[in-house]
Amino acid sequence: EADIYQTPRYLVIGTGKKITLECSQTMGHDKMYWYQQDPGMELHLIHYSYGVNSTEKGDLSSESTVSRIRTEHFPLTLESARPSHTSQYLCASSFQGSNEKLFFGSGTQLSVL
Amino acid sequence: RKEVEQDPGPFNVPEGATVAFNCTYSNSASQSFFWYRQDCRKEPKLLMSVYSSGNEDGRFTAQLNRASQYISLLIRDSKLSDSATYLCVVNVYGQNFVFGPGTRLSVLP
Repeated sequence: EADIYQTPRYLVIGTGKKITLECSQTMGHDKMYWYQQDPGMELHLIHYSYGVNSTEKGDLSSESTVSRIRTEHFPLTLESARPSHTSQYLCASSFQGSNEKLFFGSGTQLSVL
Repeated sequence: RKEVEQDPGPFNVPEGATVAFNCTYSNSASQSFFWYRQDCRKEPKLLMSVYSSGNEDGRFTAQLNRASQYISLLIRDSKLSDSATYLCVVNVYGQNFVFGPGTRLSVLP
């Protein structure tokens, strides 16, 4: 069972609000990721981190930002939410190395009105 | 061309059927291979890793052909609970995991 946690599970918020999606893992994984997924569509990598103080943009451009001050914690922030940000956001983590597996949190379903 | 391609779905099969999913990848440097399962509106969960020698876990069998850059997943005696989207995932050491678009399976009573 993966020990990676996301909060909140669901978030409904008005346009223009600042939001932070939380992600924590207790597996000691060095690498962490944020994916965005719309219903029935593919996963898109929006941010990743190799470790503390490392953040990189993923394949899909996103207006969100991330930080990695602690190994176990990788929050995602939207400074001003818009309806186009409505989506499911999935956090994941892994060790670095060959044959290392990727583990996902339960996701945050964000709806911006 | 996508880095990882999968059979377009959906697959609609009766209970008890055997179903096979195919996946191809373009990066010959890929080193690790996985099948994930994703239920509707849930997170992907690791189903099994895929090894060159092939591996089996109960009703599920995965095969890897490095020469052809091809991965397969076979599900025998399919159950209603097998209904999900199956994601093929490849990884190159030091790079990010690459996901296929997924193949949706519906097992019908």
